[in-house]
Amino acid sequence: DGGITQSPKYLFRKEGQNVTLSCEQNLNHDAMYWYRQDPGQGLRLIYYSQIVNDFQKGDIAEGYSVSREKKESFPLTVTSAQKNPTAFYLCASSTRTSGGANTGELFFGEGSRLTVL
Amino acid sequence: SQQGEEDPQALSIQEGENATMNCSYKTSINNLQWYRQNSGRGLVHLILIRSNEREKHSGRLRVTLDTSKKSSSLLITASRAADTASYFCATPNSGYALNFGKGTSLLVTP
Repeated sequence: DGGITQSPKYLFRKEGQNVTLSCEQNLNHDAMYWYRQDPGQGLRLIYYSQIVNDFQKGDIAEGYSVSREKKESFPLTVTSAQKNPTAFYLCASSTRTSGGANTGELFFGEGSRLTVL
Repeated sequence: SQQGEEDPQALSIQEGENATMNCSYKTSINNLQWYRQNSGRGLVHLILIRSNEREKHSGRLRVTLDTSKKSSSLLITASRAADTASYFCATPNSGYALNFGKGTSLLVTP
């Protein structure tokens, strides 16, 4: 089945540790995104990538890093520099658009819940 | 930056009733989208309405868009318990992604 797979579903981290969240898609989508969601809040954009080997910072990129070496994969690393990393992280993908004003439907994974102990 | 704001924040209705939630946004858009999120799950796309459309239907969903007022509404008719979820509006940002509001939490009781 085509879709987006995020792993792990739950992750616990000690303060000072880096952790990497996996996101894989088999939808043949060019664009991929990482969002963060806090309780009772909307989604905030961390990073996005329109094409392999290229990515842009979103609104809250500080303390996070990404890579896009393959079309199918867009892993997110939460570094020790992220002051409050406990949150629900959502990965999404879409077909590439010609411009931001035409951004189409996003397909989301089931999320990864990170808790800092 | 969060472009859209949903209203109300929470809505509780009984099965069979209609649910209406609203979204206001700040800047001109090319399209507006609505998503649903069940508790602890990822978001699911419901409907996309373009700026040159005023109304769109999909099953029990009806979406309207008023670009002059920079607002949209999502109507769910004949609600079911399975419609219990959070609903988000989303608009394209200045780059190549979507901005999401904080959502409306809908509870449908049997």
